Amino acid sequence: EDKVVQSPLSLVVHEGDTVTLNCSYEVTNFRSLLWYKQEKKAPTFLFMLTSSGIEKKSGRLSSILDKKELFSILNITATQTGDSAIYLCTLSNFGNEKLTFGTGTRLTIIP
Amino acid sequence: DSGVTQTPKHLITATGQRVTLRCSPRSGDLSVYWYQQSLDQGLQFLIHYYNGEERAKGNILERFSAQQFPDLHSELNLSSLELGDSALYFCASSVGQGMDIQYFGAGTRLSVL
Repeated sequence: EDKVVQSPLSLVVHEGDTVTLNCSYEVTNFRSLLWYKQEKKAPTFLFMLTSSGIEKKSGRLSSILDKKELFSILNITATQTGDSAIYLCTLSNFGNEKLTFGTGTRLTIIP
Repeated sequence: DSGVTQTPKHLITATGQRVTLRCSPRSGDLSVYWYQQSLDQGLQFLIHYYNGEERAKGNILERFSAQQFPDLHSELNLSSLELGDSALYFCASSVGQGMDIQYFGAGTRLSVL
């Protein structure tokens, strides 16, 4: 069965710090890995990764995938209080039309 | 705003009852997905519909059912409700059926008393 493990489960840092969130996975017929940010309610899309070694970047957030070692990281630099949220890693595979979500990393930024 | 509309926002009901949650996908999206998120738990995939047809089932209980109508809106029916069914229920939509980027609605918070 497909599996997504995120670490740490919870992280508290000060504003301005840089954080790295981890996602490791086991999947057959990998299709893509996606990162979502969940604040109070609905998860919002951040990145979709399909190829190893290609960094995706959006402002202070970036993410990279390693398909050989089966993990992805999400980096946030110069954190702000608005980055406080749960970050969800999810993956999809060919032939099984559902997303498998990790339990998320709860990130808290202290002013 | 993701463009996915879920109603109602909140629902309070009693054990044994039946409720219907509604989802309107983004304009142009043919796929609808339903998820359950309990306290301190991750998102659990329930079911996926594409253009009116069921495409995949996840951890959906037999007491739960869903359908997608010709206008592409979807309903999730929960019956014989138990206390443990209290959760946030999300609907998401995407353009195709290939598990591309999903856009989530704001969710329906169900409280079973």
